[in-house]
Amino acid sequence: KNQVEQSPQSLIILEGKNCTLQCNYTVSPFSNLRWYKQDTGRGPVSLTIMTFSENTKSNGRYTATLDADTKQSSLHITASQLSDSASYICVVTFNQAGTALIFGKGTTLSVSS
Amino acid sequence: DAGVIQSPRHEVTEMGQEVTLRCKPISGHNSLFWYRQTMMRGLELLIYFNNNVPIDDSGMPEDRFSAKMPNASFSTLKIQPSEPRDSAVYFCASSTTGVYSNQPQHFGDGTRLSIL
Repeated sequence: KNQVEQSPQSLIILEGKNCTLQCNYTVSPFSNLRWYKQDTGRGPVSLTIMTFSENTKSNGRYTATLDADTKQSSLHITASQLSDSASYICVVTFNQAGTALIFGKGTTLSVSS
Repeated sequence: DAGVIQSPRHEVTEMGQEVTLRCKPISGHNSLFWYRQTMMRGLELLIYFNNNVPIDDSGMPEDRFSAKMPNASFSTLKIQPSEPRDSAVYFCASSTTGVYSNQPQHFGDGTRLSIL
């Protein structure tokens, strides 16, 4: 069964600290993997998109990694800010027709001062 | 630039009533997606259009749900009749290319639907 599992479910860190969110998937065949940030009451915002051949992609303080062999991805946030408090969602795209996108349930990050 | 615009932002109605959600994609985007988000199930893709044509509606939960895209600048998602279990946040997103592309999808801020 095609699944996307994210961990941890929630995380609390102090402002200025780094953190890493995990995404494991069993989706096959794989097209791409996306990380989104969703603020409370808003729509998701795209952070990174990686294809099968990409290992790392950065967007400011956000760095995503992908290991297609182990089917694992991580999102690393450097020098966290209060505005990083949000839900982070991992999405894997099927490379075939039908149910094209498989979503993780997300990790809720709280950054405190 | 204006992003994806959804209306209404909130909708509260009684079960059995017809509900129509509206979406205006970003100008120039030719792919449009409808999603539903609940606490239990997270985000789910309901249907997506490419050049106004429905490509994949396998996520539409049942016949009570229907979606149309009469032109490149407007889409609707209709629920008739509505049921309490349809309560969720419904998002619309648009992109310059289809679901398998590596281009980002741009989301609206959603319609929070409550069916009493």
